[in-house]
Amino acid sequence: DTEVTQTPKHLVMGMTNKKSLKCEQHMGHRAMYWYKQKAKKPPELMFVYSYEKLSINESVPSRFSPECPNSSLLNLHLHALQPEDSALYLCASSQWGLPYNEQFFGPGTRLTVL
Amino acid sequence: DQQVKQNSPSLSVQEGRISILNCDYTNSMFDYFLWYKKYPAEGPTFLISISSIKDKNEDGRFTVFLNKSAKHLSLHIVPSQPGDSAVYFCAASGRGSGGSNYKLTFGKGTLLTVNP
Repeated sequence: DTEVTQTPKHLVMGMTNKKSLKCEQHMGHRAMYWYKQKAKKPPELMFVYSYEKLSINESVPSRFSPECPNSSLLNLHLHALQPEDSALYLCASSQWGLPYNEQFFGPGTRLTVL
Repeated sequence: DQQVKQNSPSLSVQEGRISILNCDYTNSMFDYFLWYKKYPAEGPTFLISISSIKDKNEDGRFTVFLNKSAKHLSLHIVPSQPGDSAVYFCAASGRGSGGSNYKLTFGKGTLLTVNP
């Protein structure tokens, strides 16, 4: 299984809503990532988890709250978002502890904040 | 400051010909480079990579060349096929610790169109 899955595919939420994005991989990867991608821009790293612990937080606002319940799952909890947070949210995974880093991406969740 | 640059926003080639996508980088700490392909409404798909100890890596129709002194890499697709039409992102990662070596820095992408 070389797939990273993400749910939901599309999400529309109001600024006062609380929602969660989910990501799952069964490749035995011990690193998982959240990226944000705006239209016609490259993916921007938000968070890195290694062995279920947060390794990198790229100064992401606290209205985005990541969680890694186990080695296969990664969640992104959303609360009090702004319209400018509308974007494609990508999850990725990779092996950890190797000198190189090939990340495998999921299809993304298209988020619209009204 | 953009550390990975893809200066051509778009490229159009005829089916069967060679596609050459270019990427420049400024950070000398980068030591691993990757190319991703992305179709609309999908996540990026890993295509091919190269470490700084090599100057060429080949996988089927795809070859990546690295010129460290020029801080330049290129992706060659031969022969190009209409299904190759997508946005191609160059990405780089570097030495570091605490997870920083696992951070990918992406270029802005090049839209490749292969015409039948």
